[in-house]
Amino acid sequence: KNQVEQSPQSLIILEGKNCTLQCNYTVSPFSNLRWYKQDTGRGPVSLTIMTFSENTKSNGRYTATLDADTKQSSLHITASQLSDSASYICVVSAGWGKAAGNKLTFGGGTRVLVKP
Amino acid sequence: NAGVMQNPRHLVRRRGQEARLRCSPMKGHSHVYWYRQLPEEGLKFMVYLQKENIIDESGMPKERFSAEFPKEGPSILRIQQVVRGDSAAYFCASSPPSLGSNEQFFGPGTRLTVL
Repeated sequence: KNQVEQSPQSLIILEGKNCTLQCNYTVSPFSNLRWYKQDTGRGPVSLTIMTFSENTKSNGRYTATLDADTKQSSLHITASQLSDSASYICVVSAGWGKAAGNKLTFGGGTRVLVKP
Repeated sequence: NAGVMQNPRHLVRRRGQEARLRCSPMKGHSHVYWYRQLPEEGLKFMVYLQKENIIDESGMPKERFSAEFPKEGPSILRIQQVVRGDSAAYFCASSPPSLGSNEQFFGPGTRLTVL
């Protein structure tokens, strides 16, 4: 069964500090891994997408890593801002080619609260 | 280029009524996906459609739920005889038709409340 587990479930950090979110997955056959940011009451917005051959990808203050051997990923937020308060969702896509986009397995998300 | 549009944003229904959720994909996108997010849970895949075709409905409940994506107009997720357990946020995503494209763009969601 395809599964995506995220930790921690929630996190409180002070503005300006860094934090790292974890994602473990058992999805086969692996196609790609994405991190999404979901603000309260909104739809998810893509931050990064990584294929099997990519180890790291950055998007501004967000840096994602992928270890396909251990099936782990992390999302690092640098110099957090109040606007970073949101849920961060790890999503793994199974399959390949044309079908790869349609089977996404979502993690439960990590809720990040940035305090001033 | 407008993003994925969903309406209504909020929908209240009484048990036994029907709920119709609409999704207009981004311009040029011909693939539509519906997801459900129960309170305090992650998103769960429901159905994947292309124009006039259901490609994968493995996540759809067998009864009361149906989806369509007609040649003209938005995609519709229909829930008949709603029950309290149907209360959730329903998200639609779309992606372009190019082979191998994996990026899905999400709409703002429709929050369904069943009284």
